[in-house]
Amino acid sequence: GENVEQHPSTLSVQEGDSAVIKCTYSDSASNYFPWYKQELGKRPQLIIDIRSNVGEKKDQRIAVTLNKTAKHFSLHITETQPEDSAVYFCAASAPGAQKLVFGQGTRLTINP
Amino acid sequence: EAQVTQNPRYLITVTGKKLTVTCSQNMNHEYMSWYRQDPGLGLRQIYYSMNVEVTDKGDVPEGYKVSRKEKRNFPLILESPSPNQTSLYFCASSLGSGFSGNTIYFGEGSWLTVV
Repeated sequence: GENVEQHPSTLSVQEGDSAVIKCTYSDSASNYFPWYKQELGKRPQLIIDIRSNVGEKKDQRIAVTLNKTAKHFSLHITETQPEDSAVYFCAASAPGAQKLVFGQGTRLTINP
Repeated sequence: EAQVTQNPRYLITVTGKKLTVTCSQNMNHEYMSWYRQDPGLGLRQIYYSMNVEVTDKGDVPEGYKVSRKEKRNFPLILESPSPNQTSLYFCASSLGSGFSGNTIYFGEGSWLTVV
């Protein structure tokens, strides 16, 4: 079955700098790759997603890139702000799998 | 307001005492699922349901049961809870009779401690 590896597990950046979180997946049939943000004590919330027919997607300060050949995808956050501090999860899903397979999570801390 | 509602939000229970975590969604979603979240492991699927009376195991189903008698409700049952089931549990729902990359909506989570 699908396996998703996420790195790094913790990331600390200065406010205003960029943050990059990377995930690799194992199932070449996976075609849906969402990113979730989870603030302390809250539910995971979808922040951006990408499908396998697209190489990059951007929404204001966040972007996701997908490399199907290498089976990895990344989340990019530019001009980081204190409210970006949270745990971020990547996930992948293959057709018919009936689930999202999540990475282990990255705790992002933005230092003022 | 579209939402997934779980209860209880917080529970401390003792080993072996049966408990049920309820989940209800008001979006008329066919697909519902339960995940547990543990440090360093991300979220792992316990069970899912593609429609009323259709349920199947996820990746970590041992020690859990589910039922789907109505479209809106998908309770998670721990018949004999053990300490290794101490975790944060999320119910989720999605449009469509099978998960096909539609947005998943999560409930607020249920913190369960088994002592």
